[in-house]
Parts: sequence; C-alpha cells; structure tokens
Amino acid sequence: QAVVTQEPSLTVSPGGTVTLTCDSSTGAVTSSHYPYWFQQKPGQAPRTLIYDTNTKHSWTPARFSGSLLGGKTALTLSGAQPEDEAEYYCSLSYSGARVFGGGTKLTVL
Amino acid sequence: EVQLVESGGGLVQPGESLRLSCAASGFTFSSYWMNWVRQAPGKGLEWVATIKQDGSEKYYVDSVKGRFTISRDNAKNSLYLQMNSLRAEDTAVYYCTRGWLYWGQGSLVSVSS
Repeated sequence: QAVVTQEPSLTVSPGGTVTLTCDSSTGAVTSSHYPYWFQQKPGQAPRTLIYDTNTKHSWTPARFSGSLLGGKTALTLSGAQPEDEAEYYCSLSYSGARVFGGGTKLTVL
Repeated sequence: EVQLVESGGGLVQPGESLRLSCAASGFTFSSYWMNWVRQAPGKGLEWVATIKQDGSEKYYVDSVKGRFTISRDNAKNSLYLQMNSLRAEDTAVYYCTRGWLYWGQGSLVSVSS
C-alpha cells in the first residue's frame, strides 16, 4: 500500500505564511489522486478544508489554499491566525483506497 | 444540515465482535459514497472502509480485510461497520464520513482484556 508523507511539525508566526506538503511513495501526486486536506483540533473530529486539490469547503477561510507543487500536493496558509493551530492531514486516493498522511502539527507562535 | 451520528462503540475483549452504526440526516443518503475512518489514541487518521451508493462496491484497508464488513441500509439512512475478531490494535475512535466532505463526531471502540 502507498505511503503518504507530511512534515511532522511546522511553526508559523501570526500573520505569516506557511506551506504544508504531502508526498506519495508511488510517484508524483496528481489531480487523479483527488487530494484532500483536513484540519483537526484537540478533542474534535476532523473537518475538511480542501478537496480535489484546490476546492475549498463552504467553511474554509480564504487564507487557506491548495495546489500541486513540485510533484506534491500542498496546503498554503497565508496570514496565519492563532485559531489555525491544529493538526493537518492530507489524503490521497489510490484506486478505491484512500491513504492518509501522518499529519502535520502546525504551531502558530 | 448534514448530520452523521455514530453509535455502538464500547469496550470489548480481544476476539469479540461489535457493530457500529452511523445515522445520517440532512441529505439524500442513497446518493453518496460513505466511509469509515479510525483514529487510534494519540495517532493519525486511518481509512478503514468505503461503500458505494448502492452497496455494489466495497473497499477495505488490508489490516481489516476478512474481519470487518461495511454495509448500508438506504431505506434507514444508515451506515454500518461489522467488526469481528477484534484486536487490541483496533482500539480507536471510528468516524463515518459522507464522501470526504462531512464527518461525524466518532464512536470509541476499546479492545482490551
């Protein structure tokens, strides 16, 4: 089964910009992997932020954006807010199966 | 408003069985693929199983194949996960999802002697 890799942790300053990435062990990530990004805060269920690479959910703040970047998929946060401190998971589709990355713990400090 | 409410979790011994349910409301249940995802304590998310709208296609992560069965009852707007031969490593919060856009609040399954 494929392995999806994310940065274990990242730190961003309030108001700053940070990019989280998501890599596939099978090769370049493409739109055919239907990349998703999820946010999870402590004690809460995950919620979907980005789907199909770059489409925002109705509740996704405009400061979040998704893209394909250098063979990976990426989540960029521009203008970080304290409430953005959370765990972020990416997920890729592989012919019926979906694999999650290990998550990136984002600290806003 | 989309609502997904899981139930059926609890504490069981290794080798026992448990059936999770997910009650869906606020949307046309029969129109969507549905999934189960789990999260072990302090760990990341793991996809468990997926079922097509009419139940004709089902997919499982390797670690649960032959032990877990995903099913649905479109007349009852309900999703199920039958879990047999449970192991300690199945201990997790189990979430149901509508496609990959909406998540329930989860149900805790603990497997311990």
